[in-house]
Amino acid sequence: GAVVSQHPSWVICKSGTSVKIECRSLDFQATTMFWYRQFPKQSLMLMATSNEGSKATYEQGVEKDKFLINHASLTLSTLTVTSAHPEDSSFYICSARVPWGGSSYEQYFGPGTRLTVT
Amino acid sequence: SQELEQSPQSLIVQEGKNLTINCTSSKTLYGLYWYKQKYGEGLIFLMMLQKGGEEKSHEKITAKLDEKKQQSSLHITASQPSHAGIYLCGAGGGTGTASKLTFGTGTRLQVTL
Repeated sequence: GAVVSQHPSWVICKSGTSVKIECRSLDFQATTMFWYRQFPKQSLMLMATSNEGSKATYEQGVEKDKFLINHASLTLSTLTVTSAHPEDSSFYICSARVPWGGSSYEQYFGPGTRLTVT
Repeated sequence: SQELEQSPQSLIVQEGKNLTINCTSSKTLYGLYWYKQKYGEGLIFLMMLQKGGEEKSHEKITAKLDEKKQQSSLHITASQPSHAGIYLCGAGGGTGTASKLTFGTGTRLQVTL
């Protein structure tokens, strides 16, 4: 199956600093990637849809100036958490939509990045 | 917006027992995905269902989508400790769209020896 990687797998940063998380599709090109966040014992919440070569589409309630998304190439999307605060501590997961499958869309997920803001 | 409710929220079964997890949607499902997640890890794709009445199996896991396409069930036969984890159903948008997923509330499965 398709492989999606994330880097780093975990990061600790101080309040007020910015953190960049990378999401890569390793063996396929992904024109669309998705960013989710997951709080402990909760389900995944979609934050934004990242489209290669265009601006990301953010879900309602997600601050686009705080969570900067850049889909610079067909295999890489980045999420930058700017001026991080403790409430931004969460598990961030990306997914990539595979380009095959006709009208059905399979998404493969990265292993996630655990962000802790102190 | 579409809402997915899973039941039960958590489940503890003895190894070798069968179990079923349900996923109910507030709207018609155009694509229903089942994923498994281990704590602190990413999601593993299990199956995707699209057609009313569709049923798919992989090893000891069977997923079904009802005829009305508003409910799906995931059935595990003869459960093993390796089946433990969080099971999430996800619903995609209509066919032909970019299909961003909305996830259910999740079912936490523990398998005891």
